[in-house]
Amino acid sequence: DAKTTQPNSMESNEEEPVHLPCNHSTISGTDYIHWYRQLPSQGPEYVIHGLTSNVNNRMASLAIAEDRKSSTLILHRATLRDAAVYYCILKIRINYGGSQGNLIFGKGTKLSVKP
Amino acid sequence: KAGVTQTPRYLIKTRGQQVTLSCSPISGHRSVSWYQQTPGQGLQFLFEYFSETQRNKGNFPGRFSGRQFSNSRSEMNVSTLELGDSALYLCASSSMGYRGRENIQYFGAGTRLSVL
Repeated sequence: DAKTTQPNSMESNEEEPVHLPCNHSTISGTDYIHWYRQLPSQGPEYVIHGLTSNVNNRMASLAIAEDRKSSTLILHRATLRDAAVYYCILKIRINYGGSQGNLIFGKGTKLSVKP
Repeated sequence: KAGVTQTPRYLIKTRGQQVTLSCSPISGHRSVSWYQQTPGQGLQFLFEYFSETQRNKGNFPGRFSGRQFSNSRSEMNVSTLELGDSALYLCASSSMGYRGRENIQYFGAGTRLSVL
């Protein structure tokens, strides 16, 4: 499985944008880029995913580099509730268009948000 | 729509015992995956079930097993518990199997197992 590299920790101020980077230099052309986060004392939560183009949803935006070797999760206005560990995960796309079932988690980035 | 439900939330066992954990997926989801989370190893994949069949398995000893029922509910079992099995066990369900739709996993809150 292709590997991802994330900073161990980042800090942000409340109501400011946060850019969480992820390097995945060995990504293949068929890998999806997924982001999940885990709030304290909870199970992981899906945030966003993409393949080649930038993506937006109600939680965040995902900016994917043109060569796909890196991506950035953007939280437009961080809140205290966004303090969590963020995981960048590559998932192998399989024949029918979706990806294989299991997630391979790395260490993730622990985001702290200061009031 | 109800989320993924795991029972029990907390469990204390002693070494050598066995334990069974339960997971009820989101209604309509046919895929259930199990993960173990420890401070040292992080989140690790255990196995995935789809339509009552184990489709994928992580690198865990045979003491860890699971099954899925016809209503998609799943159980995992750990036999001959060891101290190192103390962990948060997480279950995730997804609507895997629909053509062209990406596989998004929805996690439960987990079962915290302590082995004494």
